[in-house]
Amino acid sequence: DIQMTQSPSSLSASVGDRVTITCRASQDIVRDLAWHQQKPGKAPKSLIYGGSNLQSGVPSKFSGSGSGTDFTLTISSLQPEDFATYYCQQYRTYPITFGQGTRLEIK
Amino acid sequence: EVQLVESGGGLVQPGGSLRLSCAASGFSFSDHYMDWVRQAPGKGLEWVGRIRDKPNVYSTEYAASVKGRFIVSRDDSKKLVYLQMNSLKSEDTAVYYCAKVKYDLDYWGQGTLVTVSS
Repeated sequence: DIQMTQSPSSLSASVGDRVTITCRASQDIVRDLAWHQQKPGKAPKSLIYGGSNLQSGVPSKFSGSGSGTDFTLTISSLQPEDFATYYCQQYRTYPITFGQGTRLEIK
Repeated sequence: EVQLVESGGGLVQPGGSLRLSCAASGFSFSDHYMDWVRQAPGKGLEWVGRIRDKPNVYSTEYAASVKGRFIVSRDDSKKLVYLQMNSLKSEDTAVYYCAKVKYDLDYWGQGTLVTVSS
């Protein structure tokens, strides 16, 4: 199975900050990488697929980059609604696997 | 608007069975693979299984943790996807989400809670 490792596991930031979350795959997944946002008590929401493609309706403050084994999610100009848990997910091979999540908290 | 609505969750004893349903609307259901993903209380996301579309003979894939116990099926005429869960264990306690597949999981339902306990 492909292991997905996110860093950091938690992150404190202030409104207006720019933050970056990293996701590393245990083997090459080319660009078959997605990012999902989950708020407490809610279903996940897809943000990015193909490493860098925004889902329809997702604001451009979210951006993704990377290929192979190393990927990043950047969120610019943090707003209160952005504080949530973020998961990366690989869909290169079965079983599909997720990172452990990065909890983004308000400082 | 894409909507996915899960149902069928509840309390079940260890060793028991439960069938979850997911009703889809707002997209061409028969053209898409569908997934189930679960989340144990306070934990991260775990992919459970996938069912492909008719051109791919409705073939399925499963996580090792559920293979042989869980079955994913679908009824394209009713726009429903199912998760039949057998031989349930306490570690299967989780919120179960269905998700539409386009490249990745692009839309998720709101989830249904399954609690396995005596």
